[in-house]
Amino acid sequence: GAVVSQHPSWVICKSGTSVKIECRSLDFQATTMFWYRQFPKQSLMLMATSNEGSKATYEQGVEKDKFLINHASLTLSTLTVTSAHPEDSSFYICSAFGTSGDNEQFFGPGTRLTVL
Amino acid sequence: KQEVTQIPAALSVPEGENLVLNCSFTDSAIYNLQWFRQDPGKGLTSLLLIQSSQREQTSGRLNASLDKSSGRSTLYIAASQPGDSATYLCAVKADSGYSTLTFGKGTMLLVSP
Repeated sequence: GAVVSQHPSWVICKSGTSVKIECRSLDFQATTMFWYRQFPKQSLMLMATSNEGSKATYEQGVEKDKFLINHASLTLSTLTVTSAHPEDSSFYICSAFGTSGDNEQFFGPGTRLTVL
Repeated sequence: KQEVTQIPAALSVPEGENLVLNCSFTDSAIYNLQWFRQDPGKGLTSLLLIQSSQREQTSGRLNASLDKSSGRSTLYIAASQPGDSATYLCAVKADSGYSTLTFGKGTMLLVSP
């Protein structure tokens, strides 16, 4: 199946700093990627839909100025958490559709963000 | 708005047992349904994908069924093993386009030796 990678796998930062998370489709082109956030023992919550070459579409309640998404190429989408605060500490996962025609989503391994 | 519910929230069984995880969804107009496995602190691994026109899918010891009209799916795990311990997530897709998935909260499975 299709492979999606994320970098870094974990990051610890100080409050007030910005953190960038990369999501890459390794063996296919992804015109659409999704960013999810997962709190402990909770399910995945969609944050935004990232479309190559255009602005991301954010879900209700997600601050677009705080969570900057850039999808500059067909294989890379980035999520930047600006001025991070402890409440932004979470597990961030991206996903993308493969090219098999089944409309199956493939997920990255996730990035654990801890804001001190 | 689509809502996905998974029962039970947690399940503990001895090794070797057959078990069933349940998933229900409120809007039966789905395009497909996917079952995932998530290990602690890890991403999602797709287990089975069932298209809306299908009744079931099988992979090894896993069998997933779909009853679209009643808004239900089950994941059957045969002869459970300690390595099956993980959280199992059910997710539905609304349409054929590049729309996202709606997830349930998952069932946390513990298989003891």
